[in-house]
Amino acid sequence: DSGVTQTPKHLITATGQRVTLRCSPRSGDLSVYWYQQSLDQGLQFLIQYYNGEERAKGNILERFSAQQFPDLHSELNLSSLELGDSALYFCASSVDWADTQYFGPGTRLTVL
Amino acid sequence: DAKTTQPPSMDCAEGRAANLPCNHSTISGNEYVYWYRQIHSQGPQYIIHGLKNNETNEMASLIITEDRKSSTLILPHATLRDTAVYYCIVREVWGRGAQKLVFGQGTRLTINP
Repeated sequence: DSGVTQTPKHLITATGQRVTLRCSPRSGDLSVYWYQQSLDQGLQFLIQYYNGEERAKGNILERFSAQQFPDLHSELNLSSLELGDSALYFCASSVDWADTQYFGPGTRLTVL
Repeated sequence: DAKTTQPPSMDCAEGRAANLPCNHSTISGNEYVYWYRQIHSQGPQYIIHGLKNNETNEMASLIITEDRKSSTLILPHATLRDTAVYYCIVREVWGRGAQKLVFGQGTRLTINP
C-alpha cells in the first residue's frame, strides 16, 4: 500500500458524459501527478500539480482538466467522453517536486 | 519518447537472481534512473533509483555503469510474486519544479517454479 488513494475503483459510463476521478496523496506530499494507461498507448503522463499550482503538462487532451485543492487532494475531470478514453487512470504523489513518485491503485474507466 | 531500451521479456527460475538490463545512452548528467514494476493492472510500484553509484535496498540492487549509459536491476532471490512488468525510466526534471516519468514498454519478467 503506497498511501495514495483513488476513488472510484471502477467507473462505467457512456460516450459524451463527464466524470470526475479523485486522488488523495500520501500524507505530507505536496505534488500530485496523473497518468493514463491504455492498451495501445501504455502509461502516459498527463499533468502535474505542486501545492495547488500546475507545474507540468503532458499528453493531456483539451477535454480533460485537473486541479489540486488546498487540502492537496486532486481531481481529474474528463468530459465529452469517447470510447478511446477507456483506460486505467493512475495518480501518483511525491513529497516535493523532485522526489520519488508513489502511485495509487488506479481508477478503471470504461466508456460504452 | 522513452529514453530507455529494455528487452520485452525475460524468464528466471524461482530462487535465482533476476538481472534486468536497461540501456539509457542519452541520459544527462543530472538525470536519475528509476525502476518501477507493475503487477497485473495494479499501480506501478517503486523499486529503486540511482544517479551514479550502485544502490541497494530491501527489494533490489541497482548497478549503473561508470559511463551511466546502462544499468541493471538485480532481484537477488526471485519469487513467484516478482512476476511483473519492470520499467526502467530516466526521470525528467525541468523548469520550475516540473517532473515526469516517461514509461516505455518495460520488461515482462516471469518467475518460473
